[in-house]
Amino acid sequence: ETGVTQSPTHLIKTRGQQVTLRCSSQSGHNTVSWYQQALGQGPQFIFQYYREEENGRGNFPPRFSGLQFPNYSSELNVNALELDDSALYLCASSLVGTSSYNEQFFGPGTRLTVL
Amino acid sequence: RKEVEQDPGPFNVPEGATVAFNCTYSNSASQSFFWYRQDCRKEPKLLMSVYSSGNEDGRFTAQLNRASQYISLLIRDSKLSDSATYLCVVNGAAGNKLTFGGGTRVLVKP
Repeated sequence: ETGVTQSPTHLIKTRGQQVTLRCSSQSGHNTVSWYQQALGQGPQFIFQYYREEENGRGNFPPRFSGLQFPNYSSELNVNALELDDSALYLCASSLVGTSSYNEQFFGPGTRLTVL
Repeated sequence: RKEVEQDPGPFNVPEGATVAFNCTYSNSASQSFFWYRQDCRKEPKLLMSVYSSGNEDGRFTAQLNRASQYISLLIRDSKLSDSATYLCVVNGAAGNKLTFGGGTRVLVKP
């Protein structure tokens, strides 16, 4: 196991609602990245947080936002949910600054269904 | 054109056989390369990093060809447990986003 945890495991929401997903990074890791994986596709990068600030963002609208806390855990918030937001949301933790490879380790994901 | 492209498969492989597949990437400035394995409805798990000189981890061998911008993965002596989707992953800058291919599905059959 990677030591990365996510909550909740599953979530069902309706269009227009807001959702908050949570991630606890692996012990000793300082960076959290969030990804969206639609069925049958590879994960798509949403954003990354390092030292409590956004450190890179993918092609996602502003209604996707996040936070990182001093203990390096993180939240992903999605406002005004749309049907296409239904996906597996993955967080990955890494330790930036120790090597050029920056391997990322994933949590089990939160499966979000928007009805 | 997608940043990272993979043959979706499936590759149907007899148990004990060798299978190899590639992925191509478009950003010549990419710095780090990985293969992840993903089982159905599970999270991706790091299989191996890919080094410039190529590297081997047990039955798995990864190669990087920067000139042609592709990465390969070879699995020898395939096991039933190797059945999974293999994700090719590229990192453009230290500490920044991973770009995933769509995955190659491998099915190992008795």
